[in-house]
Amino acid sequence: QKEVEQNSGPLSVPEGAIASLNCTYSDRGSQSFFWYRQYSGKSPELIMFIYSNGDKEDGRFTAQLNKASQYVSLLIRDSQPSDSATYLCAVNIHLTGNQFYFGTGTSLTVIP
Amino acid sequence: GAGVSQSPSNKVTEKGKDVELRCDPISGHTALYWYRQSLGQGLEFLIYFQGNSAPDKSGLPSDRFSAERTGGSVSTLTIQRTQQEDSAVYLCASSQRVNTGELFFGEGSRLTVL
Repeated sequence: QKEVEQNSGPLSVPEGAIASLNCTYSDRGSQSFFWYRQYSGKSPELIMFIYSNGDKEDGRFTAQLNKASQYVSLLIRDSQPSDSATYLCAVNIHLTGNQFYFGTGTSLTVIP
Repeated sequence: GAGVSQSPSNKVTEKGKDVELRCDPISGHTALYWYRQSLGQGLEFLIYFQGNSAPDKSGLPSDRFSAERTGGSVSTLTIQRTQQEDSAVYLCASSQRVNTGELFFGEGSRLTVL
């Protein structure tokens, strides 16, 4: 079983809608959770991180963490065409070292 | 430097040749990571360094792959006797702290093995 799993998509939403991206992880020792955005041909860049259960908001982005259910999600409000990218979920497992495990990513297209 | 620097940005080599990929992390970042990304795939963890030591080498695909880091700074990933399946983008990332946050990625080294 992979440490981090994401729906590969593609996910398409109209401009202005809410995009919802989901991620599940298998290791209960996971302690830090990250969302990276990767434009085609570019390197990943961090957009959100969350450590505690609940919601964390940053502008149009909200990360949600539920450790009991072992999932983390990313909501993008008022989606823009510039949000079209692949979104990678990453998990940092401290107890077995300092590995960051990434999911395969969800491809998002925002349609103007 | 201002960001993570990787070289070469592109490398085309023949099957069986050895290649070296270099990563220069952000100054002061103690942790350094190597990942591999094949076309349309996610990031495959290869190895990470804390200072000059590599606590976790579990992601290296075979004994043809090795990596070292000297002076707590520059790291080199070496692939010996390259195979076509080694073709991928090799990404390096660095992090300031051990147990938290953010990985800063370089632009990657695209390796093509003919």
